Amino acid sequence: QVQLQESGPGLVKPSQTLSLTCTVSGGSISNVDAYWNWFRQFPGEGPEWIGYIYYNGNTDYSPSLKSRVSMSVDTSKSHFSLRLTSVTAADTAVYYCARAQWSTLGWIIQHWGQGTLVTVSS
Amino acid sequence: DIQMTQSPSTLSASLGDTVTITCRASQSIDSWLAWYQQKPGKAPMLLIYKASTLQSGVSSRFSGRGSGTEFTLTISSLQPDDFATYYCQQYHSPWTFGHGTRVDVK
Repeated sequence: QVQLQESGPGLVKPSQTLSLTCTVSGGSISNVDAYWNWFRQFPGEGPEWIGYIYYNGNTDYSPSLKSRVSMSVDTSKSHFSLRLTSVTAADTAVYYCARAQWSTLGWIIQHWGQGTLVTVSS
Repeated sequence: DIQMTQSPSTLSASLGDTVTITCRASQSIDSWLAWYQQKPGKAPMLLIYKASTLQSGVSSRFSGRGSGTEFTLTISSLQPDDFATYYCQQYHSPWTFGHGTRVDVK
């Protein structure tokens, strides 16, 4: 059973960079069908997709965050990472990592991390 | 971006009821739609993908229908564990979610 676990600072100062890592266990991060995603969720709202990274480093980012987002993957450590630059209080949210699998029936996003609250405040 | 509109935002129901949640897309998404259940403090849990395919391990009391721009999630014979918030999600990039429907106890 694939498991994902987010880690990183829970508090980030305005204008600084938010950095999170998601460690994958119970399955290979190099699985050719797997795309490794970041989402975030504000209170009372649906999740917001930030983007994904493939094991070979290919990425797709949400256009609304593209100018501030970068993702990386380290297959030797079985983890992938999110960087969000120039954060403001509006970036305060619960951040989730998740595994999306592509199939002929579309994307299947079955495996999620537990989520981590990141607060942007001085 | 494709906007997803869910209705109602809150639904009050009793145990044993059958309830239906509607999700509308701002443009056609064929059948590229998923439904999730989320409980407070937990990650979303996949219920249905490709509009009507039940995720393995999910109760058959959940069913999804629709294509194009209008979709429904039906929960039959509501059980205590079903009281939660439900989200639809479309997967044309950028993926977007609805704002959610909270199902609570009448």
